[in-house]
Amino acid sequence: DVKVTQSSRYLVKRTGEKVFLECVQDMDHENMFWYRQDPGLGLRLIYFSYDVKMKEKGDIPEGYSVSREKKERFSLILESASTNQTSMYLCASSSGNQPQHFGDGTRLSIL
Amino acid sequence: QKEVEQDPGPLSVPEGAIVSLNCTYSNSAFQYFMWYRQYSRKGPELLMYTYSSGNKEDGRFTAQVDKSSKYISLFIRDSQPSDSATYLCAMKEGTGRRALTFGSGTRLQVQP
Repeated sequence: DVKVTQSSRYLVKRTGEKVFLECVQDMDHENMFWYRQDPGLGLRLIYFSYDVKMKEKGDIPEGYSVSREKKERFSLILESASTNQTSMYLCASSSGNQPQHFGDGTRLSIL
Repeated sequence: QKEVEQDPGPLSVPEGAIVSLNCTYSNSAFQYFMWYRQYSRKGPELLMYTYSSGNKEDGRFTAQVDKSSKYISLFIRDSQPSDSATYLCAMKEGTGRRALTFGSGTRLQVQP
């Protein structure tokens, strides 16, 4: 079974802090994704990566950056956290046209 | 207009009922269609995955894709209280965009 592990289930940070969300997958997938999920808005793509050190912006990249130094790890960075970034963050991985597999999410609160 | 439309519910049914969940979409480039189930405070879990048009069955679950009408469905037979969750449809283009486009999810409640 594919396993996607997100480092924290719950996180509370303050406005202006730099926040790191980590994601690791164990299936040698080349594609990795970061989404945020908000009530009524569904899942929205922030960034994705199709190879080590490669990244592409998704639909809502503003205020975020990403890092992929190793194939199994994909990090999401909030450069200067703001209250409107309070959300559920979901990481996913996939290979080719196969479906994406998700982690259990990080519920992030920015105070 | 959203690319993928999904009724948010909630949909409440008695145990044992047949449940029908649906999504419509506007992008004719979508070729891959998925249904995910998401329990509260958990990540989405893949239920069904189909390519192009047709039906696929897996136990109590049947997925249907009608590309001519741009309409997909998930049927759950003999629904159980453990099926209570949010169901998300998702779609992917055949080439080009690698990411999925999601519906906003339908919340299902199966009453014992």
